[in-house]
Amino acid sequence: DAGVIQSPRHEVTEMGQEVTLRCKPISGHDYLFWYRQTMMRGLELLIYFNNNVPIDDSGMPEDRFSAKMPNASFSTLKIQPSEPRDSAVYFCASTPYGRVDHNEQFFGPGTRLTVL
Amino acid sequence: QKEVEQNSGPLSVPEGAIASLNCTYSDRGSQSFFWYRQYSGKSPELIMFIYSNGDKEDGRFTAQLNKASQYVSLLIRDSQPSDSATYLCAVTSSGNTPLVFGKGTRLSVIA
Repeated sequence: DAGVIQSPRHEVTEMGQEVTLRCKPISGHDYLFWYRQTMMRGLELLIYFNNNVPIDDSGMPEDRFSAKMPNASFSTLKIQPSEPRDSAVYFCASTPYGRVDHNEQFFGPGTRLTVL
Repeated sequence: QKEVEQNSGPLSVPEGAIASLNCTYSDRGSQSFFWYRQYSGKSPELIMFIYSNGDKEDGRFTAQLNKASQYVSLLIRDSQPSDSATYLCAVTSSGNTPLVFGKGTRLSVIA
């Protein structure tokens, strides 16, 4: 399996622009998570999906952020308009359902976002 | 607010020594505990998980859990320069619920 795939790997944009980050989870995984990582705040959960349905979006910082999962193999995280404080590494992770023995999350390589 | 606390480090140990990484958590209902390793510029990867009080060993790694003290630790024996990374402690209340991550401890193994 190719693992969790994210694109783009790097994104540099200007304040006010729309940014779309993309994720393809591991095939057969029912849960998908979006995280943001910064030096100051560490790894924060933004939102997660189960079977394409958003379960908890309480970590989404504000209305400028939105996430969708139109099907089992694709999810997007959109920031509109982007601000410099959104600069971070954004990770997507997936985990299979039923893994109650351990909850290993498989992380994608991340998207490094820089908002100028 | 569930919190997971770690000393940010850096923790420096000489090659061959034992590295001890510590983590405390606030939610007494926590049931599953994980250690992820993250190399600079890379994504986190799971190295150990533990559910029961006591020790769990896997090669050079030992995870220790004390639920009464709300404390989990990771010991790395015979530390190698390749162990230099940030180690993230993560906690969850039940299976397939979101992990709460600590900010990580940066470990540096000096050759």
